[in-house]
Amino acid sequence: GAVVSQHPSWVICKSGTSVKIECRSLDFQATTMFWYRQFPKQSLMLMATSNEGSKATYEQGVEKDKFLINHASLTLSTLTVTSAHPEDSSFYICSARKAGTSRNEQFFGPGTRLTVL
Amino acid sequence: GENVEQHPSTLSVQEGDSAVIKCTYSDSASNYFPWYKQELGKRPQLIIDIRSNVGEKKDQRIAVTLNKTAKHFSLHITETQPEDSAVYFCAASMGSGGSYIPTFGRGTSLIVHP
Repeated sequence: GAVVSQHPSWVICKSGTSVKIECRSLDFQATTMFWYRQFPKQSLMLMATSNEGSKATYEQGVEKDKFLINHASLTLSTLTVTSAHPEDSSFYICSARKAGTSRNEQFFGPGTRLTVL
Repeated sequence: GENVEQHPSTLSVQEGDSAVIKCTYSDSASNYFPWYKQELGKRPQLIIDIRSNVGEKKDQRIAVTLNKTAKHFSLHITETQPEDSAVYFCAASMGSGGSYIPTFGRGTSLIVHP
């Protein structure tokens, strides 16, 4: 299998607080993990690509100081939404690509629903 | 950068009919085209993919065709069933080895009526 988990599955926080979302590959090592944001009935918008042991590569328009990404191990990447505001409310979903294979398939996590009050 | 257009945004068919979803891409260097299915409340899952050195690929009721010259690719689902109802995303990416970073289309909501 290739299972990716995310924690928490949903979170409600007050404006101005920071929220950390974890993405774990449970049964494989992932050299590359991706973080997406998905609005209702819309597509997956890539926020950043993170490679283990190096700084994340952010897409144009994504504030790196607001969305902190850490990929400290081959099985864990975290996304921290700092000083969250209501406009940050969204569905955040990660995906991981298996290490040691030429396959390009991404395995997605179940997503995290963030609501900022 | 790459731009992927996907049509239609919504597709409604009767059970047993065929469904076709079309995507176009802008960057001729793109060489990998996956299709993902996302059921309501669930995560996207890869259903089929095609590389630029192949024109067509089939897996049971699902097939994908690629026209590199025209820069478009399509998903074909035959003998649709209610469980095919979901949002389908196409994507285009370029690279080699493990360096593919896909650009997703906006998605097509497929509804199969029993």
